[in-house]
Amino acid sequence: QVQLKESGPGLVQPSQTLSLTCTVSGFSLTSYNVHWVRQPPGKGLEWMGRMRYNGDTSYNSALKSRLSISRDTSKNQVFLKMNSLQTDDTGTYYCTRAHMALDYWGQGVMVTVSS
Amino acid sequence: DIVMTQSPFSLAVSEGEMVTINCKSSQSLLSSGNQKNYLAWYQQKPGQSPKLLIYYASTRQSGVPDRFIGSGSGTDFTLTISDVQAEDLADYYCLQHYSYPNTFGAGTKLELK
Repeated sequence: QVQLKESGPGLVQPSQTLSLTCTVSGFSLTSYNVHWVRQPPGKGLEWMGRMRYNGDTSYNSALKSRLSISRDTSKNQVFLKMNSLQTDDTGTYYCTRAHMALDYWGQGVMVTVSS
Repeated sequence: DIVMTQSPFSLAVSEGEMVTINCKSSQSLLSSGNQKNYLAWYQQKPGQSPKLLIYYASTRQSGVPDRFIGSGSGTDFTLTISDVQAEDLADYYCLQHYSYPNTFGAGTKLELK
């Protein structure tokens, strides 16, 4: 069955770089797009960016200068890297598959930016 | 970027009532190629990931109860929940995936009256 699972550090220091991994199963990264969405505590959802099935990427305009999404199809993994983290980057980060809409979601990983 | 204006911010309801949540996009989400509106609705309960309810504005995702109804086209969309159940109390979001960057509405919190 389709599954996505995010992993990464729970705590990141301000100004440092966040590195997250989304490991997928039950579908191929060369057939489906994978997106990243985040949610600050108690707030709404923010679309961050996506890795297309062919390797192309698209990013949220507000994050574009800090954000990079890549993948390793042999490992069924999509990566998110975001630099210059600040406290307002604290939140839950989700990866999600796109099919019709964003249909399957990971459980999310909570990231706290704090010294 | 397409701006999604979602209303109301919160809604207090009693079980059995009908509620409507609205989403307005700053540009049309209707594809001239396939006549589909690239608008989806999500439900999110505390501590859980968002769950897809409706895609293409009005198509119910498999397993979603038929009391969830999506409607609208172009720039104006509505999620209607008829006969609200206690299990429906959650946050609801619209998402446009017509163009990049995709954008979400600000969310609607459905609470018990």
